[in-house]
Amino acid sequence: DAKTTQPTSMDCAEGRAANLPCNHSTISGNEYVYWYRQIHSQGPQYIIHGLKNNETNEMASLIITEDRKSSTLILPHATLRDTAVYYCIVRTSSGNTGKLIFGQGTTLQVKP
Amino acid sequence: DTEVTQTPKHLVMGMTNKKSLKCEQHMGHRAMYWYKQKAKKPPELMFVYSYEKLSINESVPSRFSPECPNSSLLNLHLHALQPEDSALYLCASSRPGYEQYFGPGTRLTVT
Repeated sequence: DAKTTQPTSMDCAEGRAANLPCNHSTISGNEYVYWYRQIHSQGPQYIIHGLKNNETNEMASLIITEDRKSSTLILPHATLRDTAVYYCIVRTSSGNTGKLIFGQGTTLQVKP
Repeated sequence: DTEVTQTPKHLVMGMTNKKSLKCEQHMGHRAMYWYKQKAKKPPELMFVYSYEKLSINESVPSRFSPECPNSSLLNLHLHALQPEDSALYLCASSRPGYEQYFGPGTRLTVT
């Protein structure tokens, strides 16, 4: 699976959009971009995933560049409860069990 | 039911003890996973079960022994652990190849 690069930490003001970038320049055609987050002392939580089209769900939006070498997770109106470590993971999804290889992630601090 | 449960929440054990961690899900997922997470580090995959068969063992020491007695249950048997095995142990489940759902973890301390 391709490797990802994320900033170590970011701050965001409460109520503003949080935009979390991820670089995955070695991504291959059958690899998806997944985002998870981990709030302190809890298990990781699935947020969203995509292949090449932009995706939106009730939690977030995922914007993937046309060349698929980078993506951005957008939390449209960040709250204090969104403070967490956000992991961008690239993996295949071929119907078989797949590994999740977590990088160091981005620690997002939402401030009042 | 959309959650993965893990018991116990906390466990303290001596190096000569034998204990087990338990994970349960009722989402009909046929893939289940064990991860280990040390403090301030990302989770690391240990084992994957697919349709109740072990499909991935990430070169985990034999003092960790996984078991999948049925499609809803996953156990991790612990024996002769070392203090450096102290960590948060996370269980997850998924439809094979799809997003994984994690439990809250068991925080293990080896004394």
